[in-house]
Amino acid sequence: EPEVTQTPSHQVTQMGQEVILRCVPISNHLYFYWYRQILGQKVEFLVSFYNNEISEKSEIFDDQFSVERPDGSNFTLKIRSTKLEDSAMYFCASSENLGQPYSNQPQHFGDGTRLSIL
Amino acid sequence: GQQLNQSPQSMFIQEGEDVSMNCTSSSIFNTWLWYKQDPGEGPVLLIALYKAGELTSNGRLTAQFGITRKDSFLNISASIPSDVGIYFCAGQTAGGGATNKLIFGTGTLLAVQP
Repeated sequence: EPEVTQTPSHQVTQMGQEVILRCVPISNHLYFYWYRQILGQKVEFLVSFYNNEISEKSEIFDDQFSVERPDGSNFTLKIRSTKLEDSAMYFCASSENLGQPYSNQPQHFGDGTRLSIL
Repeated sequence: GQQLNQSPQSMFIQEGEDVSMNCTSSSIFNTWLWYKQDPGEGPVLLIALYKAGELTSNGRLTAQFGITRKDSFLNISASIPSDVGIYFCAGQTAGGGATNKLIFGTGTLLAVQP
């Protein structure tokens, strides 16, 4: 079964450094998402991306965050200057859309990247 | 903002028992989903519900989309040790468009004693 893949599985970075988290969504999917989960807490929405642009972002997704689809397969999340509070699991998700009104397609998640900021 | 309250927070049961957990919200959702998360892994989709009142099964799992569109429940029958994990409900408001972010519940930790 197709799956969302994320790399690396664990990233350790010094505070203030830039970090790029990578995702390969499921190949026929058109909608891409990033979520994060702080240890012991619920999963929180960061950003959604469609047709090469951000379609929605949360309050968490400030100017330090950016997303990009540099080619036909990868979807990346960049944090420009990491802070201690950025330590979390970051999940990429993707969904397809059949073009029907009011027809949400389920989002499928990768196994995440554990980001540890020192 | 929108919040989903999930209960119970945790459950410790014997193998073979049935389990029930639910999710409530003050907001209306057009879609409810149930995910399971194992340690160190991402959420895995269990069941998706698209219509108010809909009752859907997936093996030993059954979920319902509440009539008011503000709640959902998940039942697991005859639990087995591999059912251990954290179960999250998630709601979606938009339909067929790009702003279909998921709002996650607080999670229910399920432990099954063999």
